[in-house]
Amino acid sequence: EVQLVESGGGLVQPGGSLRLSCAASGFTFNRYWMDWVRHAPGKGLEWVANTNEDGSKKWYVESVKGRFTISRDNGKNSLYLQMNSLRAEDTAFYYCARDCNWRGCDYWGQGTLVTVSS
Amino acid sequence: DVVMTQSPLSLPVTLGQPASISCRSSQSLVHSDGNTYLNWFQQRPGQSPRRLIYKVSNRDSGVPDRFSGSGSGTDFTLRITRVEAEDVAVYYCMQATQWPPYTFGQGTKLEIK
Repeated sequence: EVQLVESGGGLVQPGGSLRLSCAASGFTFNRYWMDWVRHAPGKGLEWVANTNEDGSKKWYVESVKGRFTISRDNGKNSLYLQMNSLRAEDTAFYYCARDCNWRGCDYWGQGTLVTVSS
Repeated sequence: DVVMTQSPLSLPVTLGQPASISCRSSQSLVHSDGNTYLNWFQQRPGQSPRRLIYKVSNRDSGVPDRFSGSGSGTDFTLRITRVEAEDVAVYYCMQATQWPPYTFGQGTKLEIK
């Protein structure tokens, strides 16, 4: 059974940093692209970033470029999102999703809440 | 960026009645490989999104056959033949043909009348 479990969310002040993690199991992690998608309160879903199978390629939505970094450790079956210079508008549930590219985000984690507030 | 426009944004439906959600894209979603990467998701209250339909019309395993997807080019539809109480959710379309970024529709909130 495919499982994606996010962690690392919490309350952070504007300008602060957080590192989200996503632990994957039930599939061969190093064979899939992986994505982060967020859902801000009262808003729709927004794709944030993705990376290819070996982590050599990374893409970001414009609003997080230069502030967020996606990475993965295939030895640990884990995906990460380093978030720096956080803003109030980054407040959202952050979901780890499997392969939004070729497989249309076929599995999602339960999400982790990031709140940016003073 | 490809803009995805859903309608309606709010959909009150009587139990047992059909429902239909439209999703239009600002550009054709036909990929150079011939596929159309248009997907539908259901997000029930307090839950993560769940994929229902991929590549326009392919239903995911475990999704009731009352759900169906159709369309082509820039115009797509999600249909529910007979709405049940468990279908109360927000439904999103998403394109993965022209990226980055992948883009979602605004979401359609289905509620029971």
